[in-house]
Amino acid sequence: DVKVTQSSRYLVKRTGEKVFLECVQDMDHENMFWYRQDPGLGLRLIYFSYDVKMKEKGDIPEGYSVSREKKERFSLILESASTNQTSMYLCASSLERVPYYEQYFGPGTRLTVT
Amino acid sequence: AQRVTQPEKLLSVFKGAPVELKCNYSYSGSPELFWYVQYSRQRLQLLLRHISRESIKGFTADLNKGETSFHLKKPFAQEEDSAMYYCALNTGNQFYFGTGTSLTVIP
Repeated sequence: DVKVTQSSRYLVKRTGEKVFLECVQDMDHENMFWYRQDPGLGLRLIYFSYDVKMKEKGDIPEGYSVSREKKERFSLILESASTNQTSMYLCASSLERVPYYEQYFGPGTRLTVT
Repeated sequence: AQRVTQPEKLLSVFKGAPVELKCNYSYSGSPELFWYVQYSRQRLQLLLRHISRESIKGFTADLNKGETSFHLKKPFAQEEDSAMYYCALNTGNQFYFGTGTSLTVIP
């Protein structure tokens, strides 16, 4: 059974702080993704990675960066948190770059920036 | 450009009534489509994918390439179906999700 875990369920940070969100998957998946989920906007892709040390921008990468030093771990970094980055952040992984493979999601991190 | 459109943000039906959640997509290639569901306080999870042509929890979805639609249907809604539903398109390079439909089944 695939397990995707995220380091925190809830996080409160101040404006300007550097924020790290960690995601770990235990099924040797090649692909990993970071989304933000906002009411009325659905899921929007921030960054994704098809391999270690590789990253590609999604639809809304501004204000974010990522790191993938190991296959099982994908980190999302907010260099200087802002209030408009208050959101639910979801990490996902999938097996290969093949269309019909589903994505497996973590439980989410609800980030509040004050 | 919006690749996946779910026109209804909120949908309420009575228990036992049929339910249809609409999804339209925009993609020139061969689409791979999915429905994901998120129950209250649970993680987002796959409900069904069009390639499997299966019924999950009584839900079915048929891909209509002519109408570029992948509507989710269930003949008799149950209270436990209340959740947020997302339609998703995989183009091989990227997943695109719709904005979601919140389904409430009224007892």
